This record gives sequence, C-alpha cells and structure tokens, in this order.
Amino acid sequence: DAKTTQPTSMDCAEGRAANLPCNHSTISGNEYVYWYRQIHSQGPQYIIHGLKNNETNEMASLIITEDRKSSTLILPHATLRDTAVYYCIVRGIYDYKLSFGAGTTVTVRA
Amino acid sequence: DTGVSQDPRHKITKRGQNVTFRCDPISEHNRLYWYRQTLGQGPEFLTYFQNEAQLEKSRLLSDRFSAERPKGSFSTLEIQRTEQGDSAMYLCASSLGRPGMRSPLHFGNGTRLTVT
Repeated sequence: DAKTTQPTSMDCAEGRAANLPCNHSTISGNEYVYWYRQIHSQGPQYIIHGLKNNETNEMASLIITEDRKSSTLILPHATLRDTAVYYCIVRGIYDYKLSFGAGTTVTVRA
Repeated sequence: DTGVSQDPRHKITKRGQNVTFRCDPISEHNRLYWYRQTLGQGPEFLTYFQNEAQLEKSRLLSDRFSAERPKGSFSTLEIQRTEQGDSAMYLCASSLGRPGMRSPLHFGNGTRLTVT
C-alpha cells in the first residue's frame, strides 16, 4: 500500500539543479510530505518536510503542487556528495513512524 | 547535538548465537524507533518506544527479537538464535514527540549484522 511513487533512478550533472519528483495522489489533508536521503553505508538523513506551502532550508527546496498530489525536491547545486537514495514519504499528523518505499537512486556525475 | 549513536557498527556472528545492539538517542528525544534494512530496500519499521514504554511492534519482530528501553534513554535490541535471514542493517532513530506535533526522525548510522 505504497503512498508515494518515485522514479527508480536518475542522473544529475554536478553544479546543476537536481529536481526529484514524487507522486502522492492519495494524500489526505492532514498528511505531510517528508524527504530523506541515504548515502551509502549511512543512516537516512532528514532533508525537509511540508504540508502544502513550499518550503526551503539550507539543504533543499520542496515544491508541493496546489492539489498536493505531487511534489518536487530541488537540490539547487548538486555536488558529488549528493549521490544517494532519496525517499519521499507521506506521514500523517497522527503517525509517529515513517514508512519508507524504495526511493530514487540519484547519481551526480562530474 | 551528538546525533543518534549506535554500537557496534558491524557485527559478524555464527548462526544460532545471540547478539545485542545498543542505541543512544539524541538526549532530549523521548521517542525511539528501530528499523531493519536489507540490501536494495528501504528501511522497515520494527518497533517504537515512547519514553520507556514499547508502544508498537511490527509483525517483522519475531519472538526471537526483543527490544528494551529501561530508563527511557538508551535502547537495546537483542536477537536470539540468529538465522542467516537476520543479516541486515539495523537502524535506530529518535524524535522529540509532543502532543499534536510530529517532529522528524533522526537516524543513526546503523549496525550491520552478518550471520554466517
């Protein structure tokens, strides 16, 4: 019962913006969109989350469509260290845990 | 903020042996989670504590698995009579939970278990 759909993999050029899509067409009004990434041999790292407004922090920007059925994580200037698996997760306000899918394997190339 | 700490980072054991892993959460976090991750898959939820109370256990957590958080601080995960299928990365996470608030989970770098 996956709540999100992400591409299996994508390549990005170093120094360019990386735009990672996520579909969550069954999202409900009290569910947030979270993004995590996992670099090889490390634990998942929190990136950003949002409900309906666009969000930006020092790592990335999160753009959520007006109907909330999809979102895009933007890494403004990808570096080789951004190579990782990126997970888009929908989490309800009453959910204490996160449910991970398979994520998108992002490879940043020089 | 020293982050979530897990020990050991790697453990190799023979089938049938017992193993125990330790997790030290971020100090003010009252919620603690254990996940398991096999190669090529996303992390799978195992169990969750709020303070010292274990509030949920996944069906993945067989009778051979037990987790404790005796004083609401560090936690241990024990696997008895290990099997080769237990080989995985075991991840611990913590978060600060308050009524009406769902804060992000912060993960440690895991313990990689290899059962031979």
